[in-house]
Amino acid sequence: DVKVTQSSRYLVKRTGEKVFLECVQDMDHENMFWYRQDPGLGLRLIYFSYDVKMKEKGDIPEGYSVSREKKERFSLILESASTNQTSMYLCASSIRESSGYTFGSGTRLTVV
Amino acid sequence: AQSVTQPDIHITVSEGASLELRCNYSYGATPYLFWYVQSPGQGLQLLLKYFSGDTLVQGIKGFEAEFKRSQSSFNLRKPSVHWSDAAEYFCAVGPYNTNAGKSTFGDGTTLTVKP
Repeated sequence: DVKVTQSSRYLVKRTGEKVFLECVQDMDHENMFWYRQDPGLGLRLIYFSYDVKMKEKGDIPEGYSVSREKKERFSLILESASTNQTSMYLCASSIRESSGYTFGSGTRLTVV
Repeated sequence: AQSVTQPDIHITVSEGASLELRCNYSYGATPYLFWYVQSPGQGLQLLLKYFSGDTLVQGIKGFEAEFKRSQSSFNLRKPSVHWSDAAEYFCAVGPYNTNAGKSTFGDGTTLTVKP
């Protein structure tokens, strides 16, 4: 089975810190995605990548950036964390759109 | 633009009863359609998917879904619910015939199972 691993399950960071959320997949998938999930707002796409060094903005990219230097790793960066970025962050990958996504277990980030 | 509506925010069923979760989509062409399940504190797991062929698709954990083009619906069903099915369920639609597309998710339906 494809595995998507998010490096941290829980993180607590201070306002203004630069935060790195790491995601690694082990099945050579082309596409990788970062979502945030908030109660009442569902899943919202932050960024996605369809190849190494290729990235596209999703629906809510403000305050975030991403890095994909290697195919298996897709990092989400909060340049200067703010309290409104407290959320559950979900990473996903797919080999093609018809295959659906494989999700990681999520990182619950709290910014204080 | 593609969109997904899950009309029911919360559904409660008794253990052993049948289940149907509704999903309506808006998409200008043939879509990919998916159902995912999320247990508390976990990521989402793919239950089943449809992109062509038989309109009734079978998935994992005893779930099935039926694609009805005329109603723009892709409802999820299970004949007999188990307590372990309590979770949040998400319907998603993806663009057809592209490798770089992205799925749009509904807001989810929370399923509670009564003993």
